[in-house]
Amino acid sequence: EPEVTQTPSHQVTQMGQEVILRCVPISNHLYFYWYRQILGQKVEFLVSFYNNEISEKSEIFDDQFSVERPDGSNFTLKIRSTKLEDSAMYFCASSEARSSGNTIYFGEGSWLTVV
Amino acid sequence: GEDVEQSLFLSVREGDSSVINCTYTDSSSTYLYWYKQEPGAGLQLLTYIFSNMDMKQDQRLTVLLNKKDKHLSLRIADTQTGDSAIYFCADSSGGYQKVTFGTGTKLQVIP
Repeated sequence: EPEVTQTPSHQVTQMGQEVILRCVPISNHLYFYWYRQILGQKVEFLVSFYNNEISEKSEIFDDQFSVERPDGSNFTLKIRSTKLEDSAMYFCASSEARSSGNTIYFGEGSWLTVV
Repeated sequence: GEDVEQSLFLSVREGDSSVINCTYTDSSSTYLYWYKQEPGAGLQLLTYIFSNMDMKQDQRLTVLLNKKDKHLSLRIADTQTGDSAIYFCADSSGGYQKVTFGTGTKLQVIP
């Protein structure tokens, strides 16, 4: 079964450093997403991406964050100048085109620890 | 804004049925999902139901949707110890399918 893959599975970074989390969505999917889950809290929507641009973003997704699809397969989340409160599990997800109905498939997550 | 609520904890004996409940507020929800998260792992899509359906059965899983009351439930028949996990209810609406998650229900299966 096709799956969303994420790297790294775990990253420890110093406060103030930049982090790039990588995702390979399912190949025929056109909608891409990032979510995060702070330990013990809800899974929160960060951003959705379609047709090479951000389609929706939450209030969490401020100027510290950016997303990019640098080539035909990868989808990245960049976090600039990380803060302690950015420590969380970050989930990438993808779904098919809206017209075919969809389910949203999540990756295994990238656990980010900011120290 | 949109809200999805679940009870936080459920404990059942192995072999019994588990019923996890969820309420949501967005009347324009199109898809409703159940995800399973085992400790330290990702979100596994268990099943989903389209909003014009009342029920969906998939092996040991039964999803019931009461759209009038905005209530969703997941029944797991013959619950096994491997079913112990956190179960998230989620819904999506709108063009870009943003998913709103509930708080998660931790299911503990007692042998």
